[in-house]
Amino acid sequence: SQELEQSPQSLIVQEGKNLTINCTSSKTLYGLYWYKQKYGEGLIFLMMLQKGGEEKSHEKITAKLDEKKQQSSLHITASQPSHAGIYLCGADKSGNTPLVFGKGTRLSVIA
Amino acid sequence: GAGVSQTPSNKVTEKGKYVELRCDPISGHTALYWYRQSLGQGPEFLIYFQGTGAADDSGLPNDRFFAVRPEGSVSTLKIQRTERGDSAVYLCASSLMGRERWETQYFGPGTRLLVL
Repeated sequence: SQELEQSPQSLIVQEGKNLTINCTSSKTLYGLYWYKQKYGEGLIFLMMLQKGGEEKSHEKITAKLDEKKQQSSLHITASQPSHAGIYLCGADKSGNTPLVFGKGTRLSVIA
Repeated sequence: GAGVSQTPSNKVTEKGKYVELRCDPISGHTALYWYRQSLGQGPEFLIYFQGTGAADDSGLPNDRFFAVRPEGSVSTLKIQRTERGDSAVYLCASSLMGRERWETQYFGPGTRLLVL
């Protein structure tokens, strides 16, 4: 079965600093999703990547999928306290439906 | 509604009791998913509905777990003879059709179940 490994497990950064979170798959990714989760809330959809080499940005968050489609990175520029939370990557197992998730990366942003 | 809603938000029960968790998907979404998230872990798939039928229930851990979606909208996850190991956050998600690759799933806030 497909497994997703996220690194780092947790991250503490100073406000204004840049950071990168990685998601590595044991198999080729057919669809890679990034979600953010805060305590007491569900998963908030950030971005979805499909094609090798694809890159998407939303505000200060950029996600990339490598050419081999086995690794994705999420980069946050000039981090803010509002970026704090747990970032989860999820993969489409084989095309359609139930997602397999990594364990998440817990991000704290300190002033 | 505007998003996926789940009730109750928190549920505390005693070992051996029966519980029902409810999910109300985004209006018009035909696909509905249940996941379970334990502390420090990512969500794990339980069951997926396409319309009224369970298209994939391979994630249900045992026969104490059952889910229904009788009218193709609201779904109820039912857990019989609860065990302490069932304590987790139960997440529901929906997507428009569930037949296309790379279709975004939208999640509800989850139900936190604690079995004492």
